[in-house]
Amino acid sequence: EDQVTQSPEALRLQEGESSSLNCSYTVSGLRGLFWYRQDPGKGPEFLFTLYSAGEEKEKERLKATLTKKESFLHITAPKPEDSATYLCAVAQFSGSARQLTFGSGTQLTVLP
Amino acid sequence: DTGVSQNPRHKITKRGQNVTFRCDPISEHNRLYWYRQTLGQGPEFLTYFQNEAQLEKSRLLSDRFSAERPKGSFSTLEIQRTEQGDSAMYLCASTPDTSPRLSFGSGTRLTVV
Repeated sequence: EDQVTQSPEALRLQEGESSSLNCSYTVSGLRGLFWYRQDPGKGPEFLFTLYSAGEEKEKERLKATLTKKESFLHITAPKPEDSATYLCAVAQFSGSARQLTFGSGTQLTVLP
Repeated sequence: DTGVSQNPRHKITKRGQNVTFRCDPISEHNRLYWYRQTLGQGPEFLTYFQNEAQLEKSRLLSDRFSAERPKGSFSTLEIQRTEQGDSAMYLCASTPDTSPRLSFGSGTRLTVV
């Protein structure tokens, strides 16, 4: 069964203090690894898709990387508006539904 | 592109009552998904439509749950005889055929009292 584990569960940073969130996965036939951001009371908002080990994507202060077993979301010099829950999800090759399997998320708080 | 729209945003119901939620996907997206999310957890897959055909249902979807997508446009999710354990955020998402990337709505928050 596919498993997606995110750590830490919660992270508090001072504004400007860079850090990384981890997503480790076990899945056969990875079709893609996805990062989403979720604000309280809202649906997840797409950030990145990574397809193969070694791939990197960047958007503003966020950079996502992928290895064969895990992905990292690096946050450089975060601002309070980066506070949110960050979700990672995997899609696999087999299966008709092509649904995503999500981790439990990392709740990030950036203090001014 | 107006995004995925869900109604209502919030629903409070008494245990044993039936509730129905509606999802309007992005117009050109023919795949539609329902997920459930409880506090502190990631979204869990419930069911999936390709056009009007419901192609897969999760074990989480008990007999009290039914979903429809008439004419392959909007979808409804009905929960019969609600239980307190049904309290959660119900998320709808859509995607075109060629991509597994999901676009989510803002969800319907269900509270069963």
